[in-house]
Amino acid sequence: GENVEQHPSTLSVQEGDSAVIKCTYSDSASNYFPWYKQELGKRPQLIIDIRSNVGEKKDQRIAVTLNKTAKHFSLHITETQPEDSAVYFCAASDQAGTALIFGKGTTLSVSS
Amino acid sequence: DAGVTQSPTHLIKTRGQQVTLRCSPKSGHDTVSWYQQALGQGPQFIFQYYEEEERQRGNFPDRFSGHQFPNYSSELNVNALLLGDSALYLCASSLSNWRSSGANVLTFGAGSRLTVL
Repeated sequence: GENVEQHPSTLSVQEGDSAVIKCTYSDSASNYFPWYKQELGKRPQLIIDIRSNVGEKKDQRIAVTLNKTAKHFSLHITETQPEDSAVYFCAASDQAGTALIFGKGTTLSVSS
Repeated sequence: DAGVTQSPTHLIKTRGQQVTLRCSPKSGHDTVSWYQQALGQGPQFIFQYYEEEERQRGNFPDRFSGHQFPNYSSELNVNALLLGDSALYLCASSLSNWRSSGANVLTFGAGSRLTVL
């Protein structure tokens, strides 16, 4: 079935360093790839998304890249800050485009 | 502008009982999806409601059912609760015209945490 693999499961960086989280998806029909940030006890919040007709998108310190041929997409956070500490989830749309298939999440810890 | 609101925030049930969770979508949204998030896992799609009908269903048994009301709010019902149903249940709303934009952009609520003893 449709699947999204996310790596690494945990990531620890020093403040100011960059962080990269990688995901792969199985369904070639997927055309929408959002990233969500979830702080402890809070709702998942959309931080950036990319559609299949775009290879890269950037929003201040956050960027996402998509390689449709390899079925890979990645989240890049530059100049990390302690408030970036959270669980990050990647997701891919299912074949119908209705549902999102989520990865298992990456716990990012930024130490000052 | 209120976002997605869910109730109750926490509840405890025992095996075999039934539970109803409620969701009000973000203002202007007409589509509601429900996701189950087990501890340490990503959310899993349960089903989506639009125009008061279930439009798509994930890999969940018939014990999970839902409803959407004319004001677009929604309920998730789970019958014959099992220990494994303990999870955070997330409601997400979106606009039904997402097909023209190419992306079903979801706004999530804070969830209802269900504990089954």
